Amino acid sequence: NAGVTQTPKFRILKIGQSMTLQCTQDMNHNYMYWYRQDPGMGLKLIYYSVGAGITDKGEVPNGYNVSRSTTEDFPLRLELAAPSQTSVYFCASSYRGEKLFFGSGTQLSVL
Amino acid sequence: AQTVTQSQPEMSVQEAETVTLSCTYDTSENNYYLFWYKQPPSRQMILVIRQEAYKQQNATENRFSVNFQKAAKSFSLKISDSQLGDTAMYFCAFMTYNNNDMRFGAGTRLTVKP
Repeated sequence: NAGVTQTPKFRILKIGQSMTLQCTQDMNHNYMYWYRQDPGMGLKLIYYSVGAGITDKGEVPNGYNVSRSTTEDFPLRLELAAPSQTSVYFCASSYRGEKLFFGSGTQLSVL
Repeated sequence: AQTVTQSQPEMSVQEAETVTLSCTYDTSENNYYLFWYKQPPSRQMILVIRQEAYKQQNATENRFSVNFQKAAKSFSLKISDSQLGDTAMYFCAFMTYNNNDMRFGAGTRLTVKP
């Protein structure tokens, strides 16, 4: 079972560059989430989606964009990367919004 | 706004002994879930245990159990017979029934010593 798959696992960006973090799940979950985890901290919600075509902001959405064109995929777009976006990014999915299944994370450094 | 507080940044325990990790939360909601997640060095987030607020009985999963005190807004995790593989960061998390914003505490780093 693949579960939640994130790519890439590591990435280094220069300030001002853009990139898309990919996330796909094969569990037919309606709910999908993007979190960031700063060093020594818990996870903070960036964006979430309750189904294809529906997205909403979380606690820390500034500097990011998302789309949800299919049930399986929920990419996270970083525009004009800044050092403050250096973090570990986690994608997660759930069936009804309570038990989350997490991907293995993407370590992003912006230099 | 809901907040989750873990007051113990680091803890250690001898193998085979018992350890309790603390968590408190703040909310005005009555219906919600509470969770403990484990994050080993591999970085994977693993659900350890879940509690629904309307259930008075404390959740248990093998060596893991919680002490849920709703009035005190406290949700501690007890690990019995600690094993070396329990070494990890542990995060307490909170989510209301109708809100998709799961809030996490800052975590407790647990080290199990041989």
